[in-house]
Amino acid sequence: DGGITQSPKYLFRKEGQNVTLSCEQNLNHDAMYWYRQDPGQGLRLIYYSQIVNDFQKGDIAEGYSVSREKKESFPLTVTSAQKNPTAFYLCASSIVRNNSPLHFGNGTRLTVT
Amino acid sequence: AQSVTQLDSQVPVFEEAPVELRCNYSSSVSVYLFWYVQYPNQGLQLLLKYLSGSTLVKGINGFEAEFNKSQTSFHLRKPSVHISDTAEYFCAVSDLANAGGTSYGKLTFGQGTILTVHP
Repeated sequence: DGGITQSPKYLFRKEGQNVTLSCEQNLNHDAMYWYRQDPGQGLRLIYYSQIVNDFQKGDIAEGYSVSREKKESFPLTVTSAQKNPTAFYLCASSIVRNNSPLHFGNGTRLTVT
Repeated sequence: AQSVTQLDSQVPVFEEAPVELRCNYSSSVSVYLFWYVQYPNQGLQLLLKYLSGSTLVKGINGFEAEFNKSQTSFHLRKPSVHISDTAEYFCAVSDLANAGGTSYGKLTFGQGTILTVHP
């Protein structure tokens, strides 16, 4: 079955360490996205990419970085510059069409202490 | 820029009762509208979407939503809920100015409504 795989499901890090969250999709989608979810705040867009080797900042990109070396993969690095990194991170993908819905992975819950 | 407001953060309801989850949006251009559902510790699943045409949209699991342009609303309804409908529901909007450019999938989400169905 096609889908989006995020790993790991739970991740714990010490403050000051960078951490990379994995996102892989086998849906053959061109576009991929990273959202951050905090209680009561909905989802906020961190970065998105519509094609390999290209990506754009979303609404809350500060303290994060991404790469898009392969169509299937869109890893997110949470750097030590991110002031409040503890959150639930969701990766999504879609075809590049103006009404296409997002397909989401099951998320990674990151806890930084 | 668009915004989305979900008017209730929590909605408790008894099994087999009807439910309405309210969503209002603001945008200076025409929009696409979506409702997603999230079960605990999982990603989001698409319930339904409004793109154009009939203002009453039917989705999965017996849910439907009505687009009201004059009131800028897109409320989600189900005539009879089940325990299994307990989840968080998100309303989202994508405006057509973005949709035709480089902003596919750049949805603006509401804050979420937690629906709890009691036996």
